[in-house]
Amino acid sequence: GQQVQQSPASLVLQEGENAELQCNFSSTATRLQWFYQHPGGRLVSLFYNPSGTKHTGRLTSTTVTNERRSSLHISSSQTTDSGTYFCAIATGYQNFYFGKGTSLTVIP
Amino acid sequence: EAAVTQSPRNKVTVTGGNVTLSCRQTNSHNYMYWYRQDTGHGLRLIHYSYGAGNLQIGDVPDGYKATRTTQEDFFLLLELASPSQTSLYFCASSDANEQYFGPGTRLTVL
Repeated sequence: GQQVQQSPASLVLQEGENAELQCNFSSTATRLQWFYQHPGGRLVSLFYNPSGTKHTGRLTSTTVTNERRSSLHISSSQTTDSGTYFCAIATGYQNFYFGKGTSLTVIP
Repeated sequence: EAAVTQSPRNKVTVTGGNVTLSCRQTNSHNYMYWYRQDTGHGLRLIHYSYGAGNLQIGDVPDGYKATRTTQEDFFLLLELASPSQTSLYFCASSDANEQYFGPGTRLTVL
């Protein structure tokens, strides 16, 4: 199956700093999704972005399909951004494979 | 917005106990999934289904059964629970593109 590598594994930021989270995968992905997991456990979909760039608020996702990578940029981080970020990859109608996540801590 | 619900939200059982986790989606999605999440492992797929009566084996199926009774309902069964099955369990449904997750069930096996 797919190998999904996320980096860094953990990140600590001062409030207001920017963050760049990386996701690299081993095989062609036709579906790619970024998730945020609240400290309490709830998973929230941030982007469905198999190719190109998407924005929402302070978040930007960029996927370069032929280079098998995707990034999630968080600008002007806030303490409420703290949590774990996952990317998940699928090929065609096959299953999604998840990375192990990036744990983000934003300190005031 | 897709709606996936899970019950119970929390469950404590003893080793050897019998547990059923329930999931319902109201989006007419064909695909439904059960994952477990453990520290250091991200989410791992247990079983999935692409329609009522269908069941497919995921990556970590040992100790679990599943049943898809209708398009809306997908159940995960632990017939002889073990402490190694203590975990956070997520159900998800999907269309041809993205997945929609339920709120999770926290299971503790003593």
